[in-house]
Amino acid sequence: DAGITQSPRHKVTETGTPVTLRCHQTENHRYMYWYRQDPGHGLRLIHYSYGVKDTDKGEVSDGYSVSRSKTEDFLLTLESATSSQTSVYFCAISDREIGSNQPQHFGDGTRLSIL
Amino acid sequence: SQQGEEDPQALSIQEGENATMNCSYKTSINNLQWYRQNSGRGLVHLILIRSNEREKHSGRLRVTLDTSKKSSSLLITASRAADTASYFCATDGTGRRALTFGSGTRLQVQP
Repeated sequence: DAGITQSPRHKVTETGTPVTLRCHQTENHRYMYWYRQDPGHGLRLIHYSYGVKDTDKGEVSDGYSVSRSKTEDFLLTLESATSSQTSVYFCAISDREIGSNQPQHFGDGTRLSIL
Repeated sequence: SQQGEEDPQALSIQEGENATMNCSYKTSINNLQWYRQNSGRGLVHLILIRSNEREKHSGRLRVTLDTSKKSSSLLITASRAADTASYFCATDGTGRRALTFGSGTRLQVQP
């Protein structure tokens, strides 16, 4: 299995509080992704990174920000959590960009509940 | 909307039977990938088929791709209880920045 660690694995918090999720990889892959998984929607891309300090928005980026100060760490922040952000969050990595016929490798997810 | 849509949404079969899942997509692709997700875990890559390929095998898995119909199928032969999981197709669409996932097929294999 690819060395991807997501933390925390579970979190319960209240509306309006800031939340930061961490993705740590030991594969030295350049590309990292944050997805959320909700029933009936599959996985939807929130943000992705194509290198240190290089990030871009995905299709559901509103309310989220990311940072990547080191190759191995990709942080997802909810500045002021809302109940609609209750979801399971997955980090994925890849050593090649999209279009290079390479798969992505996923962490085991963070289950986030916002009350 | 999701690029890939799986059919059926849920499938229940007996051990030893074959399981077939289908995926349809809307735009041109570089490749199509299938992933498996066990309950409470992340997605695991199963197989990738490129847009110029029509069929690919990996162990008990067979994937077909029909770009004219914008569809793919995943066949799992001689299924086992351990194959119980959700299966997702994901498209690497031309000009897109990341994979686009369908909503998945939940497969239950009864022992």
